[in-house]
Amino acid sequence: AQSVTQPDIHITVSEGASLELRCNYSYGATPYLFWYVQSPGQGLQLLLKYFSGDTLVQGIKGFEAEFKRSQSSFNLRKPSVHWSDAAEYFCAVSLKGGSQGNLIFGKGTKLSVKP
Amino acid sequence: EAGVAQSPRYKIIEKRQSVAFWCNPISGHATLYWYQQILGQGPKLLIQFQNNGVVDDSQLPKDRFSAERLKGVDSTLKIQPAKLEDSAVYLCASSETSLTGYFGPGTRLTVL
Repeated sequence: AQSVTQPDIHITVSEGASLELRCNYSYGATPYLFWYVQSPGQGLQLLLKYFSGDTLVQGIKGFEAEFKRSQSSFNLRKPSVHWSDAAEYFCAVSLKGGSQGNLIFGKGTKLSVKP
Repeated sequence: EAGVAQSPRYKIIEKRQSVAFWCNPISGHATLYWYQQILGQGPKLLIQFQNNGVVDDSQLPKDRFSAERLKGVDSTLKIQPAKLEDSAVYLCASSETSLTGYFGPGTRLTVL
């Protein structure tokens, strides 16, 4: 069955440090891949998405993600974390044609930022 | 541009009661989605509308959940009767095409 795994439930980093959030997927074909961020009491906001082409994808707020087919991974990175990045991050896979309606989400990684 | 609006933001009910949530999508967005997000999990799609027609409701528990989008604009999601396991955040999202959507702030439901 298709699934998305985010191995880290909670990560704490110092402000200014680099960040990498892991995401692995299980799916027969190359899926469409997404990263969302959810701040407390807020809805989900799309950070970036991968459909095809260049495997390094740039997103909003200084985030990027790299698709590695051989590892079935789509890890999210940021070179220098800001306190405002504290939130929960969700990786998602689309099963059909990029339609958001068919998204399968991971369980999320909560990011805390130390001053 | 106004975002996706949802009300109420919070609701507390007792089991076996009924509850309804409302969503007003971004103007002009033909596609509307309802998701259920249980604490500690990612969102799960309940139903997808294209204008006022249902595209996908395969994960909607139809014995107790219903949703409508009568005029192809705003939508309501109803639970009747509610169970303890329905405690969750209910997210509405809309999109202009079937691709990237915009999420509302959600309605947090607590069933006691």
